[in-house]
Amino acid sequence: NAGVMQNPRHLVRRRGQEARLRCSPMKGHSHVYWYRQLPEEGLKFMVYLQKENIIDESGMPKERFSAEFPKEGPSILRIQQVVRGDSAAYFCASSPSQGWDTQYFGPGTRLTVL
Amino acid sequence: KNQVEQSPQSLIILEGKNCTLQCNYTVSPFSNLRWYKQDTGRGPVSLTIMTFSENTKSNGRYTATLDADTKQSSLHITASQLSDSASYICVVSDRNSNYQLIWGAGTKLIIKP
Repeated sequence: NAGVMQNPRHLVRRRGQEARLRCSPMKGHSHVYWYRQLPEEGLKFMVYLQKENIIDESGMPKERFSAEFPKEGPSILRIQQVVRGDSAAYFCASSPSQGWDTQYFGPGTRLTVL
Repeated sequence: KNQVEQSPQSLIILEGKNCTLQCNYTVSPFSNLRWYKQDTGRGPVSLTIMTFSENTKSNGRYTATLDADTKQSSLHITASQLSDSASYICVVSDRNSNYQLIWGAGTKLIIKP
């Protein structure tokens, strides 16, 4: 049973471009969580999705950021018109049900904005 | 404001030595505390989870303690190995949310041969 998959592992974008980060949850998991980790800081919750629904996006900036988890395919975190401050590691976690104690993390996507 | 603070920020010890990492939190109402290990370039992996009523819990060479009165936790690593080199992160959740976690910044541990 493969773990949580994220791709790409590393992504370089120039200011103003779009970044699309993908997360494939573990098999049988229908809950996905996105976190952002700035250098030397802890992970910060961004958004929680269940298949086709956004449950909680309170940690996600209102502008330029969006997330989806379609019925088929991976969850996508999309950042439009990236700025240097978006440079960070973005982690995805999944769980079979709502509950923090069952979140399994992917390896992360490291976004660098030039 | 819910916060989790860890110390030291970084630590270097020799292989085979023991060490203790500290975590102080202000999360309220408290639900659970977990220690994660995060290898460089990898996602966090859970080491231990402790509820309000638990004072100590072990997982191999890792032993976590919790004092819910003083809101402090520690992670003790015994007979360190080179593979223990990683960031160790204290994570706390409150009873108001069963999925949102408050993460510490972590302690970066380096084990030298």
